[in-house]
Amino acid sequence: GQSLEQPSEVTAVEGAIVQINCTYQTSGFYGLSWYQQHDGGAPTFLSYNALDGLEETGRFSSFLSRSDSYGYLLLQELQMKDSASYFCAVRSGGYNKLIFGAGTRLAVHP
Amino acid sequence: DVKVTQSSRYLVKRTGEKVFLECVQDMDHENMFWYRQDPGLGLRLIYFSYDVKMKEKGDIPEGYSVSREKKERFSLILESASTNQTSMYLCASSLNRDTEQFFGPGTRLTVL
Repeated sequence: GQSLEQPSEVTAVEGAIVQINCTYQTSGFYGLSWYQQHDGGAPTFLSYNALDGLEETGRFSSFLSRSDSYGYLLLQELQMKDSASYFCAVRSGGYNKLIFGAGTRLAVHP
Repeated sequence: DVKVTQSSRYLVKRTGEKVFLECVQDMDHENMFWYRQDPGLGLRLIYFSYDVKMKEKGDIPEGYSVSREKKERFSLILESASTNQTSMYLCASSLNRDTEQFFGPGTRLTVL
């Protein structure tokens, strides 16, 4: 079967750093994406890793280890507006087909 | 900005009805997708299309069909709605196979 595992909930305080892990088991692998979704909103793209290593975009960074079938999203200098659900997604085949994890709900407190 | 629109934000239908969910994107994207989102299950792919009149089954196609007669429009059809199809339905599009997906606002469908 194909599966992605990520924690269901994470809590942190403003200004802190939080890491959301994602492990995957899929029949094919082209890359790992991260999406953010605020309550009542649409998912929005954050990052994509096709190769091993760290990709940095402002306060957010994403890491991939293909040999470990593992990745993470790192959020720094947390702000209240970062409270949202975060989904990892594996591109498993052609035509940009994605398999999503169940999502991690991040709550940022003052 | 890419814009993906869906015909309704909320929809209530009765069991056995035929339901059409419409999605339109305005950026000439090749690929379009239909997902359903349920608590604790994330987003699950129902169908996708990589070109006009072309479609591929996703992970949970049973009970659904799709239509893509024009590049910008991708329709999801529930031939005979059932209560277990009550869900949030999200449409997405991407320029090609290597790019991010842009999502519409979603349609919350309730089947009574």
